[in-house]
Amino acid sequence: QKEVEQNSGPLSVPEGAIASLNCTYSDRGSQSFFWYRQYSGKSPELIMSIYSNGDKEDGRFTAQLNKASQYVSLLIRDSQPSDSATYLCAVTAGAAGNKLTFGGGTRVLVKP
Amino acid sequence: NAGVMQNPRHLVRRRGQEARLRCSPMKGHSHVYWYRQLPEEGLKFMVYLQKENIIDESGMPKERFSAEFPKEGPSILRIQQVVRGDSAAYFCASSPEQRLLSLFGPGTRLLVL
Repeated sequence: QKEVEQNSGPLSVPEGAIASLNCTYSDRGSQSFFWYRQYSGKSPELIMSIYSNGDKEDGRFTAQLNKASQYVSLLIRDSQPSDSATYLCAVTAGAAGNKLTFGGGTRVLVKP
Repeated sequence: NAGVMQNPRHLVRRRGQEARLRCSPMKGHSHVYWYRQLPEEGLKFMVYLQKENIIDESGMPKERFSAEFPKEGPSILRIQQVVRGDSAAYFCASSPEQRLLSLFGPGTRLLVL
């Protein structure tokens, strides 16, 4: 069983719509949760971090965390073609310092 | 204030050769993490180092791979006797403290012919 799982996609959304990405993790000791965006051939870029249950909003992005269900999601509102990328979910266990465990990523395609 | 630097950005090696990947962390960062991204896959943790110490190498392949972070100079990821399966993007990330978020470098794309 993979430690962090994501639907590989591609997730195709029309421009202006909401993109909804999901991620589940197996380690109940995970304490910190992150969403990275990665364009093809580029390095991952942090777009959201969340540490406690509930929602966290930053601009067009909203992260949601449910530790009981071991589930974290990312919503992208008013999707733009520039949002087309692979989105990586990552978690850390506190005892491991800042070692990130990544999911396989979800490819998002925003169509004009 | 330069970010995390990696070089070379692209590296081509023939099977059996050695590959040396360098990572210069951000100024003031003494913690370095190496990750590997195989084609069409997510990133996998390889090793975590502080100056002159390997803290966690649980993600390193048992053979041919080694890493160091000397007191002076960049962190080095060394791959001996490369094979085609080593072809991947290798990313380095650095942070100033263990529990603070690390920043990624641009990566080194290794191609083994």
